Amino acid sequence: GAVVSQHPSWVICKSGTSVKIECRSLDFQATTMFWYRQFPKQSLMLMATSNEGSKATYEQGVEKDKFLINHASLTLSTLTVTSAHPEDSSFYICSAGDRSDYQPQHFGDGTRLSIL
Amino acid sequence: DAKTTQPNSMESNEEEPVHLPCNHSTISGTDYIHWYRQLPSQGPEYVIHGLTSNVNNRMASLAIAEDRKSSTLILHRATLRDAAVYYCILRGSNYKLTFGKGTLLTVNP
Repeated sequence: GAVVSQHPSWVICKSGTSVKIECRSLDFQATTMFWYRQFPKQSLMLMATSNEGSKATYEQGVEKDKFLINHASLTLSTLTVTSAHPEDSSFYICSAGDRSDYQPQHFGDGTRLSIL
Repeated sequence: DAKTTQPNSMESNEEEPVHLPCNHSTISGTDYIHWYRQLPSQGPEYVIHGLTSNVNNRMASLAIAEDRKSSTLILHRATLRDAAVYYCILRGSNYKLTFGKGTLLTVNP
């Protein structure tokens, strides 16, 4: 099946630093990638939709200057959490797919982000 | 996005069939019914999806009501590895997935 690789798996960093998370589709071209955030004991919350070669579309309440998304190629999207603070600590998950009724989204294994 | 309603939790015994229900009374004609499952500390895993007809794959079967207002995910023989949170999601033309709380499936040995 289709594979989506997310890197890093976990990261711990100091408050105020910026953290970049990569999401790669390994064996297919993803015209669209999605970024989610999941807090403990809660469901996934969609943050933004990223289309290759265009600006990301952010969900209501998500700060686009805080969460920078780049989708420069059909196999790579990045999420940068800028000036991270402890409240940004969460489980970040990406998914990739093409705009097809026949294909599902494929998810990465997530990145555990802890801000000290 | 159209919403779905699922039981918070269900329990099953190993090697027995499991029927996970989902209600989606406000489904529109173009919404696909998707099922994903998530194990702790992992990303969701695609299970199955369909539009109107029942669907089968190696993981599960999806039974869709004739009026499409409900569906049932069927795991034919539950294993311990099937213990997870199962999400029933309606995917519309914007291709977004809106996750609800899902059903926590516990499988007893």
